Amino acid sequence: DAKTTQPPSMDCAEGRAANLPCNHSTISGNEYVYWYRQIHSQGPQYIIHGLKNNETNEMASLIITEDRKSSTLILPHATLRDTAVYYCIALDDKIIFGKGTRLHILP
Amino acid sequence: SQTIHQWPATLVQPVGSPLSLECTVEGTSNPNLYWYRQAAGRGLQLLFYSVGIGQISSEVPQNLSASRPQDRQFILSSKKLLLSDSGFYLCAWSPGLAGDETDTQYFGPGTRLTVL
Repeated sequence: DAKTTQPPSMDCAEGRAANLPCNHSTISGNEYVYWYRQIHSQGPQYIIHGLKNNETNEMASLIITEDRKSSTLILPHATLRDTAVYYCIALDDKIIFGKGTRLHILP
Repeated sequence: SQTIHQWPATLVQPVGSPLSLECTVEGTSNPNLYWYRQAAGRGLQLLFYSVGIGQISSEVPQNLSASRPQDRQFILSSKKLLLSDSGFYLCAWSPGLAGDETDTQYFGPGTRLTVL
């Protein structure tokens, strides 16, 4: 079973920041938090990962709480092409995908 | 750069027929390889993974099997397809990094299988 919980869907206005929450209260100390997204009919795309510190790359930022029980993926300027299902994963050995959050970008 | 290929992209097969899906990776050596299935409206389910030639671990008991005849080739097979085998099949690879570095997986484009 997935170790993470996410809201099933979210809306975000185009051009605004999309903040996707994830709860992982049972995460262990050596489990990384990974984010993938899956655009309709395509394979999942890696976005970002982190362990304790906040991370940023060209796609997104990842904010992990100090107690590591939750995290937030931030897409700073959402576009229509960011419409996808976003998966938050606590990775120890193997990836276990939950149902993710379906993000709708509103024009 | 590394690339991952899957074929065919789509497949329609009758119940009881055999199946063979192929996945190949380019630009890396000795990758970890994975097969996932995504049923309609559901999340991804890990089916098999392999850390080397001839080494296959099964995550879910079923009528599917996997083989790794070459370092960068991963094959998903079935002798007799069931209706419940319909879904989106994804192959993934990871560098298989040891030590403290975690092992990011990268996915192929997938094969959409419909069993009638």
